[in-house]
Amino acid sequence: QVQLQESGPGLVEPSETLSLTCTVSGGSISTYYWSWIRQSPGKGLEYIGYIFYSGSTNYNPSLKSRVTISVDTSKNQFSLKLTSVTAADTAVYYCAREEYNGIVDYWGQGTLVTVSS
Amino acid sequence: DIQMTQSPSSLSASVGDRVTITCRASQGISNYLVWFQQKPGKAPKSLISAASSLQSGVPSRFSGSGSGTDFTLTISSLQPEDFATYYCQQYNRYPWTFGQGTKVEIK
Repeated sequence: QVQLQESGPGLVEPSETLSLTCTVSGGSISTYYWSWIRQSPGKGLEYIGYIFYSGSTNYNPSLKSRVTISVDTSKNQFSLKLTSVTAADTAVYYCAREEYNGIVDYWGQGTLVTVSS
Repeated sequence: DIQMTQSPSSLSASVGDRVTITCRASQGISNYLVWFQQKPGKAPKSLISAASSLQSGVPSRFSGSGSGTDFTLTISSLQPEDFATYYCQQYNRYPWTFGQGTKVEIK
């Protein structure tokens, strides 16, 4: 059974960089696509982007200028960096596994990130 | 981006009721649609993919239909554990987009 677990700071100051890591267990990260999705009361569920184990990425155009997703296959982890955050980036951030056909089949439990000084 | 619009945004129903939720895409997405269930404080759980294919382990009282722009999720006989928020999501064209959710509450 694949499990995903997000980790990282729960509080980030405005204009700083949000950094989260997702650790994958119960399966290799060297298959499938690995995604970040966030959920906020104001914007609902929002797809951030994905990475393939080879390093190829695809980002939501609305966030593309501020987002970087990377992968570390040796640690079975992938990471999210979101720069220049504002209060609008406050959300629960989920990491997830995406099948080759695009279906998100496994989710992490989610981690709340609050942007505030 | 493809806009996904769900209706209603919330509904009240009793155990045993038949419940129908609709989802409309702003452009045709064939059958590239997933329905999720989310309970408070939990991650979404997929119920149906490809518009009508029940995910493994999901009770048969859940069903999905539709193609193109109009889709439906039906719960044939609402159970206590079904009170939750339901979302549709298209995976026809990046970025994947979600409906705003339908909250199913106890009457």
